Amino acid sequence: AQKVTQAQTEISVVEKEDVTLDCVYETRDTTYYLFWYKQPPSGELVFLIRRNSFDEQNEISGRYSWNFQKSTSSFNFTITASQVVDSAVYFCALSSWNQGGKLIFGQGTELSVKP
Amino acid sequence: DAGITQSPRYKITETGRQVTLMCHQTWSHSYMFWYRQDLGHGLRLIYYSAAADITDKGEVPDGYVVSRSKTENFPLTLESATRSQTSVYFCASSEDPTGTGELFFGEGSRLTVL
Repeated sequence: AQKVTQAQTEISVVEKEDVTLDCVYETRDTTYYLFWYKQPPSGELVFLIRRNSFDEQNEISGRYSWNFQKSTSSFNFTITASQVVDSAVYFCALSSWNQGGKLIFGQGTELSVKP
Repeated sequence: DAGITQSPRYKITETGRQVTLMCHQTWSHSYMFWYRQDLGHGLRLIYYSAAADITDKGEVPDGYVVSRSKTENFPLTLESATRSQTSVYFCASSEDPTGTGELFFGEGSRLTVL
């Protein structure tokens, strides 16, 4: 069975701090895809990144970076120099090859960035 | 600029009533999904559809019915609403059956069952 675990329910940081959101997944598939979505207080779901199981290169996009490690089944998300606008719920998700794009979501981590 | 729209955005109903949440997408995406979001559970898949007239159960289908007579519409019906179905419901679509593409989500429908 597939499963995504985000053990951190809530994180609170002060602006400009770095913060890492953890994501651990379980799957027996060899080809799979990992995603991060952001849900700001307004409620919509915003796609952040997609990573396939064959690409373990870390990725950086501005203040955001992602660390994918197959050896530990983890796909962690780091925000550098956090800002108040980063306050949101962040979801990690998993899908498998040829499963019609069905996503299995983690429970979400609520990040609060205080000024 | 349409995309994927859900209606109603907010709904209050009573236990036992039938409720239908509508989802409409303008991209002609083959795949459509219904998720519910509850605190502590993240988003859980209720039903999905690979094409018109093809639907299948997700993780939490009990108490829900879906149909897909047209590619662009994917309504979700609660035949006899229960308090446990109080939730935020998200519709999503995807053009990519391989699982590599992102899902495009609607804005959500907040349902309260009294």
